[in-house]
Amino acid sequence: GESVGLHLPTLSVQEGDNSIINCAYSNSASDYFIWYKQESGKGPQFIIDIRSNMDKRQGQRVTVLLNKTVKHLSLQIAATQPGDSAVYFCAENIGRRALTFGSGTRLQVQP
Amino acid sequence: SQTIHQWPATLVQPVGSPLSLECTVEGTSNPNLYWYRQAAGRGLQLLFYSVGIGQISSEVPQNLSASRPQDRQFILSSKKLLLSDSGFYLCAWWQGLGDTQYFGPGTRLTVL
Repeated sequence: GESVGLHLPTLSVQEGDNSIINCAYSNSASDYFIWYKQESGKGPQFIIDIRSNMDKRQGQRVTVLLNKTVKHLSLQIAATQPGDSAVYFCAENIGRRALTFGSGTRLQVQP
Repeated sequence: SQTIHQWPATLVQPVGSPLSLECTVEGTSNPNLYWYRQAAGRGLQLLFYSVGIGQISSEVPQNLSASRPQDRQFILSSKKLLLSDSGFYLCAWWQGLGDTQYFGPGTRLTVL
């Protein structure tokens, strides 16, 4: 579920490396998941989504993996670039009216 | 294409003053609309959502209120602001399952 009160964990990677950001969700009935990227001072932007009938989906340089057995979602970013530095949030569909957001992970890309 | 607007972009208000933040959506009809608050360096907290005109659901008890006077307009209000109301307020819209929830640019509110 939502963990609004926590400070954000940080993942630091070298430019060119692959990044993996993880997210655990709590509701086994969730059937739709989204990854968002939020740059400082801006609203979250859609990156990629996945439905629960899939376990993998690929986009441009990004891949989302869904493991329903352990209720785990991950976002993989290939060849991470400085422009990828941001806070990344996962979100799950609960109740079909609202998404529930994870607490977020800050990605820092070192040149 | 759909776009979402929020204003003002930034706001500095004294404690005890009223608040009105506006969100409008273009290019879609009958969307679900949402207000979130984000404290500095933290996650998103859902405050209100609306599935139609005049229909508001509150997620957390607080001194804020929301209204939806038109299909594509969502307003966040307060009669008397508290210091703890400071934060980044985000409006979002969603057509439903399978469609992405899209966010506006946000309003940064500082209560002094």
